[in-house]
Parts: sequence; C-alpha cells; structure tokens
Amino acid sequence: DGGITQSPKYLFRKEGQNVTLSCEQNLNHDAMYWYRQDPGQGLRLIYYSQIVNDFQKGDIAEGYSVSREKKESFPLTVTSAQKNPTAFYLCASSIRRDSEQFFGPGTRLTVL
Amino acid sequence: GESVGLHLPTLSVQEGDNSIINCAYSNSASDYFIWYKQESGKGPQFIIDIRSNMDKRQGQRVTVLLNKTVKHLSLQIAATQPGDSAVYFCAENSGGVTGGGNKLTFGTGTQLKVEL
Repeated sequence: DGGITQSPKYLFRKEGQNVTLSCEQNLNHDAMYWYRQDPGQGLRLIYYSQIVNDFQKGDIAEGYSVSREKKESFPLTVTSAQKNPTAFYLCASSIRRDSEQFFGPGTRLTVL
Repeated sequence: GESVGLHLPTLSVQEGDNSIINCAYSNSASDYFIWYKQESGKGPQFIIDIRSNMDKRQGQRVTVLLNKTVKHLSLQIAATQPGDSAVYFCAENSGGVTGGGNKLTFGTGTQLKVEL
C-alpha cells in the first residue's frame, strides 16, 4: 500500500530532552512537509522540503530541526529550545505545486 | 498579511440535510484551493480541490464553489450522513515556493456535527 507513515503515534518527553519524530512516504513524492496542530486550531507549517538535501523554514521553525537525506524520509527533531512542544504533529507530502498534500496519521507529543 | 478564515466554528445539521461550509481567503494571488476533512485524532483527508480558473467542481456528494470576486470558497455536502461528522479545513496555495511542492495556508476549521 502506498502512503505516509508516522511513528510513534504517541510520544512522551521530559522537559529539556530532544525527540525525533519519524515520517516515511512511499509515494515517490519530491516535496514533504511538517505541520503542528494545537487543539481547536488549524495547521501551521514548521518546515518543508522540495527535494532531497534541501529544506526551508516554515512559519514556526524555531525550536525544530529537520533533515532530508532520503526522498522517502523527512524526520523532525523537537529540541529543548521549543518552548511549548506539546501538540499534534502532522507530516505530509505532495507530488507537485498544484496538487494536494497527503497527510500521515500524526504523532501526538506530550511534554511531561 | 494573507489569511484563510472560516465563518462558523461549528455547524450542526440534521442527517439527510445538505451542509454548507464557508471559507474566506484574502490572498488574491492564490490559484489553488483544497478542502480537507479531519476526524478526531487523525490526519486530514483530501476531499476536493479547485483551481482558480474554475468556479465550481463536483465530486461524490460534495461540491466546491469558488467566488474569486469576493474571495470566498464553500463546500457543499449533499445528504449529510453521520460519518461526515468531522472538522473541515479549507486551504489555499499561498505561493512562496518555486519549483515542485506547494505552501498551503490552512483555515482554523469548522466542526460539522450531524444530528440523527
């Protein structure tokens, strides 16, 4: 089956720790994205990547980092510098500019 | 700045009625719009899209209308069913990305509740 997978589904972290969220796609899409969603709100773009070895900051990149070493993978690291990391994180991919983004099932991160 | 907003945060409809969810956008340069459905605890699912060279597009039980004059987008769901209960987001392609990929700006969402 083609699609986007995110792991883990739930993640708990202690304050001061970095944590990495996984995102993998087998859709052969060039572009991948990370969004953050807070309760009752829309999606805000953290980082996006148009092609391997390239990525750009989105609207709320502070406290986050990404890498794009492989076309299929776009991991997101939530660093200790992120002031309020508890949120629902969504990964997406798209094949081209004027096409829809396909979303993964999300990772819910809770900082204890 | 550009924004995408929804007129109503919650919409309640009776099962079998038609639902209309509205969305306003402010970036007149946006050329691509998408509606997503998000069920609780899940990622958004694509419903339907429309490009700026169209004013209407129909899918299965859904219709999207685009009025570029007033920068308004709507999603119509025919014969609403309990399974349609979810949060619906509109998104616009706000540009800022060259080449492949797109940058979408999402609205805050409308909660659709279907009453039996």
